[in-house]
Amino acid sequence: DAKTTQPTSMDCAEGRAANLPCNHSTISGNEYVYWYRQIHSQGPQYIIHGLKNNETNEMASLIITEDRKSSTLILPHATLRDTAVYYCIVSLVETSGSRLTFGEGTQLTVNP
Amino acid sequence: GAGVSQTPSNKVTEKGKYVELRCDPISGHTALYWYRQSLGQGPEFLIYFQGTGAADDSGLPNDRFFAVRPEGSVSTLKIQRTERGDSAVYLCASSSPGQGASGELFFGEGSRLTVL
Repeated sequence: DAKTTQPTSMDCAEGRAANLPCNHSTISGNEYVYWYRQIHSQGPQYIIHGLKNNETNEMASLIITEDRKSSTLILPHATLRDTAVYYCIVSLVETSGSRLTFGEGTQLTVNP
Repeated sequence: GAGVSQTPSNKVTEKGKYVELRCDPISGHTALYWYRQSLGQGPEFLIYFQGTGAADDSGLPNDRFFAVRPEGSVSTLKIQRTERGDSAVYLCASSSPGQGASGELFFGEGSRLTVL
């Protein structure tokens, strides 16, 4: 699986958009970009994933650059409950299961 | 149940003892994963089951670690002769075939193991 690079920590004001960057310059053509988050003392939670098109769901938007070497997760209106570690993961999609390799992620702190 | 259930939530044991950690996946999920998370680190893959068989056990650190899933549902992670370095949160996740192929794993809240 390709390696990802994320900032160690970020801060965001409550109600503002949180933009979390991720570099994955060695991504291969059939690897997807996944984002998970982990709130303190809980298991990781899936947020969103994409291959090359931008994606949006009820939690977030994922913007992938045209060359696919980087992406940004956007939380449009961050709340205090969005404080968590956010993991950007690049992985091959298997036909019958997915092994995800987590890095150390970005600690996002949403401030009141 | 509605989500992935792991027991015990906390386990304190002494060095050298044997430990079992249990994972009850979401009903109908055929894929099951074990991860280990040390303080300040991201989860580290241990083993992945598809049905009853271990499809990928390359993350198990050594032969003291073993996992089973005899009926393709509940799984048990077994650690023999525990060492202080085994102290971590052990996370279990499950997925259904369609969701597994999209990378969406559903995680439990983990079992925190402390080896004294």
